[in-house]
Amino acid sequence: EIILTQSPDTLSLSPGERATLSCRASQGVKTYLHWYQHKPGQAPRLLIYDASIRATGIPARFSGSGSGTDFTLTISSVEPEDVAVYYCQHRSDWPPITFGQGTRLQIK
Amino acid sequence: QLVQSGGGLVQPGGSLRLSCLASGTTFSIYSMNWVRQAPGKGLEWVSYISDSSTIIYYADSVKGRFTVSRDNANNSLYLQMNSLRVEDSGIYFCTRDRNSFDPWGQGTRVIVSS
Repeated sequence: EIILTQSPDTLSLSPGERATLSCRASQGVKTYLHWYQHKPGQAPRLLIYDASIRATGIPARFSGSGSGTDFTLTISSVEPEDVAVYYCQHRSDWPPITFGQGTRLQIK
Repeated sequence: QLVQSGGGLVQPGGSLRLSCLASGTTFSIYSMNWVRQAPGKGLEWVSYISDSSTIIYYADSVKGRFTVSRDNANNSLYLQMNSLRVEDSGIYFCTRDRNSFDPWGQGTRVIVSS
C-alpha cells in the first residue's frame, strides 16, 4: 500500500499570502497524483490531476508540481474562499487507492 | 451530475443500501468509486467498479461486508452495506473515475449506532 503524507497538518495565512502544501509518497507514483479541495458540508472538488494539470474551472492561482515521491500544491495568493481541507490522492499500483491525511488551510 | 440517496440510522449488524444516479448518457463508459469520510477524519476510498462491472475492488476494511454494483441501463450505482459497524459511520460519496475522481455526488450520511 502506498502511503501519502501531507505537510503541514494546518496552515494559517493572511489573504494574499502564498500557500505551499506538500504531499510525499512512500514509493514512486510517477505523476499519478491528484489534489482535491474539501469544504465542510460540500462534496470534494478536483483541483489538480496528473500532478500539474488544473481541472476545468479551477482558478489560475492553484498550481501543482512534482513527480515520483514529492509533490506540491501552491496557491499563489490565498483568498478567504480557499478555507478548506486539501487532500492528495495517488493512482499508481492500486488497489488500494489512498489519500493523504489532509492539510487544513485557515485564513487569518 | 451525481445525485445520491439512501443512508440513515442503522444498528450495528444491520444493512443499508446507497444509490447514486448519474445524469447524462455517458455513465456506462466510466468506472465509478465510493469514498467515505468518518466523523472528524479524512477521505477513505471504499470501492471501485469498472464500466462493465467486470472488475471490482474493495478496501480491506469493508471486504466481505460491502457489495458494489451498477445498472448502466438506469445510470445507477449502488453500495450494499451489510454487517455494519460503528466505525462505518460517516458520509459516503460516489464519484466518477477518470483516474482522478470527478465529479462527486453530494454525499449521504450513514450512522451506525445502537
